Amino acid sequence: QKEVEQDPGPLSVPEGAIVSLNCTYSNSAFQYFMWYRQYSRKGPELLMYTYSSGNKEDGRFTAQVDKSSKYISLFIRDSQPSDSATYLCAMRVNTGFQKLVFGTGTRLLVSP
Amino acid sequence: ETGVTQSPTHLIKTRGQQVTLRCSSQSGHNTVSWYQQALGQGPQFIFQYYREEENGRGNFPPRFSGLQFPNYSSELNVNALELDDSALYLCASSSPTQTNTEAFFGQGTRLTVV
Repeated sequence: QKEVEQDPGPLSVPEGAIVSLNCTYSNSAFQYFMWYRQYSRKGPELLMYTYSSGNKEDGRFTAQVDKSSKYISLFIRDSQPSDSATYLCAMRVNTGFQKLVFGTGTRLLVSP
Repeated sequence: ETGVTQSPTHLIKTRGQQVTLRCSSQSGHNTVSWYQQALGQGPQFIFQYYREEENGRGNFPPRFSGLQFPNYSSELNVNALELDDSALYLCASSSPTQTNTEAFFGQGTRLTVV
């Protein structure tokens, strides 16, 4: 079983839809949770960063962490065709050691 | 733009050859991590360098090695290339001594082994 599970998709939605992307994990020691966006043949771009449990909002993006369920989510409101990309969840244990454990990524397609 | 630059952007090598990939970290970042991303997969951690020392390694064989220089730039070396080494190699820089500073990735080097 992988440490981080993520549905690979693809997830297809119409423009303007609310998108929900999710990851589950097995290591209860994870403390830091990130979402990266990756366009085709590019490096991952950091979207959201959350420490421990709770919600964090940044514009159209909301990240949620539920450590009791070992479940994290990324919501995208008013999705745009430019949001079409692969979304990777990532997590790590502590501050000093920067090893990130990634999900496989969910491919999102937003149609005009 | 993250300020992390990698070179070359892509290259083709023959099985058994050796390759060196390079990374310049973002200004102010003293830690560099390398990841391998196979097609359709998430990045896998190879190792991390902090102040010119390797201080963490993932599940990769010794033929994957690296260096970090005084200016915090870094190299990834892979010896005896295998077909399965074909992947996007990502470099990420960070500064763990700063609060809430996460890893920022370069655009990657796409390596094809034939």
